[in-house]
Amino acid sequence: EAGVTQFPSHSVIEKGQTVTLRCDPISGHDNLYWYRRVMGKEIKFLLHFVKESKQDESGMPNNRFLAERTGGTYSTLKVQPAELEDSGVYFCASSRKAFNYGYTFGSGTRLTVV
Amino acid sequence: GESVGLHLPTLSVQEGDNSIINCAYSNSASDYFIWYKQESGKGPQFIIDIRSNMDKRQGQRVTVLLNKTVKHLSLQIAATQPGDSAVYFCAENAGGTSYGKLTFGQGTILTVHP
Repeated sequence: EAGVTQFPSHSVIEKGQTVTLRCDPISGHDNLYWYRRVMGKEIKFLLHFVKESKQDESGMPNNRFLAERTGGTYSTLKVQPAELEDSGVYFCASSRKAFNYGYTFGSGTRLTVV
Repeated sequence: GESVGLHLPTLSVQEGDNSIINCAYSNSASDYFIWYKQESGKGPQFIIDIRSNMDKRQGQRVTVLLNKTVKHLSLQIAATQPGDSAVYFCAENAGGTSYGKLTFGQGTILTVHP
């Protein structure tokens, strides 16, 4: 089966601009997760979708971040307006069941805000 | 508060040696633990997991040990190979309403010398 796909793989934007990251989970995986790793620190949870519903968005840092998963398939994560501290690697992951035996992660999107 | 940390940020071993990577966690409510391996340019890859009702689990060349008394987790890699060089993360899940959320440690860089 195809893995979790994220794009773009890299994005460089100026402070104040908008960026949209996309994640295509493994087909049939109802659970989709967003994480990010900032400045070489630990990977931190952002939010969890079950189909199109936000199950847990406790990790979203502020209202500049908007995640959607219309139709319960792919998801987008929009940052608007981007700030310097948003730079990092954004990972998406998916799982078939509600968290059993680990997720499958995508390769991530490296976001650089200059 | 919830946190998962690592004792050693870097580990350097010779090919063929056994490697041990350690992790401390602070949330006594955590009941599921995972080790991930992350290679450069890729997302975290599931290695092995363990539930809190176990103290040891073995996989292929890897063993995870869980000591709930001192809230300590370790990953043992037997006969370490150059291909094992990567960043290793431990992660925990506390279930409940946050059943989809993983809390990651900072990561340990493992370097295997031929």
